[in-house]
Amino acid sequence: DIQMTQSPASLSASLGETISIECRASEDIYSNLAWYQQKSGKSPQLLIYAANRLQDGVPSRFSGSGSGTQYSLKISGMQPEDEGDYFCLQGSKFPNTFGAGTKLELK
Amino acid sequence: EVQLVESGGGLVQPGRSLKLSCAASGFTYSNYVMAWVRQAPTKGLEWVASISTGGGNTYYRDSVKGRFTISRDNAKNTLYLQIDSLRSEDTATYYCAKDIWFAYWGQGTLVTVSS
Repeated sequence: DIQMTQSPASLSASLGETISIECRASEDIYSNLAWYQQKSGKSPQLLIYAANRLQDGVPSRFSGSGSGTQYSLKISGMQPEDEGDYFCLQGSKFPNTFGAGTKLELK
Repeated sequence: EVQLVESGGGLVQPGRSLKLSCAASGFTYSNYVMAWVRQAPTKGLEWVASISTGGGNTYYRDSVKGRFTISRDNAKNTLYLQIDSLRSEDTATYYCAKDIWFAYWGQGTLVTVSS
């Protein structure tokens, strides 16, 4: 199985701060990577797919980058509504595997 | 508007069975791969199973192979997950998700396995 190592596990950011979350795959996943946001008590929502494609309706302050085994999600200007848990997903091979998650809080 | 509505969860004893359903609307259901993803209480996300558009190809994580069966009825726009031989470690909220990127998720249905 492909292991997804996500970091950091938690992050505290100030309003307007730019933050990054990383995911490293145990093998090349050829940009088959997605990012999700999950707010407390809610279902996950897709933010980014195919490593760098912004899902419809997602604010442009979210962006994704990376290739091979290294990927990142950037939030350019933290907003209060960005608090929540963030997960990466590799869709290159079954079993699809998620990162362990990053808890993002507003400082 | 895409909508996915899961149902069928509940409290069940170990070893028993349960069948989850996911009613889809707002898109051409038969054109999309569908999946089940679960989340144990206070834990992360775990892919469970996926099914091709016509239902002919199914994929499972190892820990559920032989116990879970994913299926779909394209005439009814409904996805199913038959869960047999339930174990305590199957306790989770089960979400259905649309397409290979899990672009839309339902609200989830909670399955609690306990005696």
